Amino acid sequence: QKEVEQDPGPLSVPEGAIVSLNCTYSNSAFQYFMWYRQYSRKGPELLMYTYSSGNKEDGRFTAQVDKSSKYISLFIRDSQPSDSATYLCAMRIGNQGGKLIFGQGTELSVKP
Amino acid sequence: DVKVTQSSRYLVKRTGEKVFLECVQDMDHENMFWYRQDPGLGLRLIYFSYDVKMKEKGDIPEGYSVSREKKERFSLILESASTNQTSMYLCASFHTGGSQPQHFGDGTRLSIL
Repeated sequence: QKEVEQDPGPLSVPEGAIVSLNCTYSNSAFQYFMWYRQYSRKGPELLMYTYSSGNKEDGRFTAQVDKSSKYISLFIRDSQPSDSATYLCAMRIGNQGGKLIFGQGTELSVKP
Repeated sequence: DVKVTQSSRYLVKRTGEKVFLECVQDMDHENMFWYRQDPGLGLRLIYFSYDVKMKEKGDIPEGYSVSREKKERFSLILESASTNQTSMYLCASFHTGGSQPQHFGDGTRLSIL
């Protein structure tokens, strides 16, 4: 079993839809949770960064962490074609030299 | 803004060649990482370094080595390239105690023929 599981998709939604992306994990020691966005032929760029449980909102993006269920989510409101990308969840235990464990990534396509 | 620069975007090499992938960061980060990214497998850590001349094996170090002679530069070496090393290679850096996690370069798409 992988430490971090993420449905690879692809996920296709119409413009304006609410998108929900999810990851589950097995190691309860994870404390820091991230979402990266990766456009085709580019490196991952940090989208959201949260510590422990709770919600964090940034514009159209909301990250949720439920440590009791070992489940994290990224919600995208009013999705746009420019949101079409691969979304990677990542997590780490404390500050172990910054080593991250990644999910497989979910490929999202937002159709105009 | 942090900049992580990978020397080549695309590279084509032959089996058995020695291949060097270079990565430079401009923010004085202590920690640097090399990943490979393959469809269905996500990002897998090859090697990382938390200081000059220091290195640690990641999850898939076989067939690779690294060099960190200067703080800003981290090189990945394929000693004798094989076709199963065809992949996207990503470099990242991170500041210990900083508020942000890893920053990535744009990757090198390496093909071994």
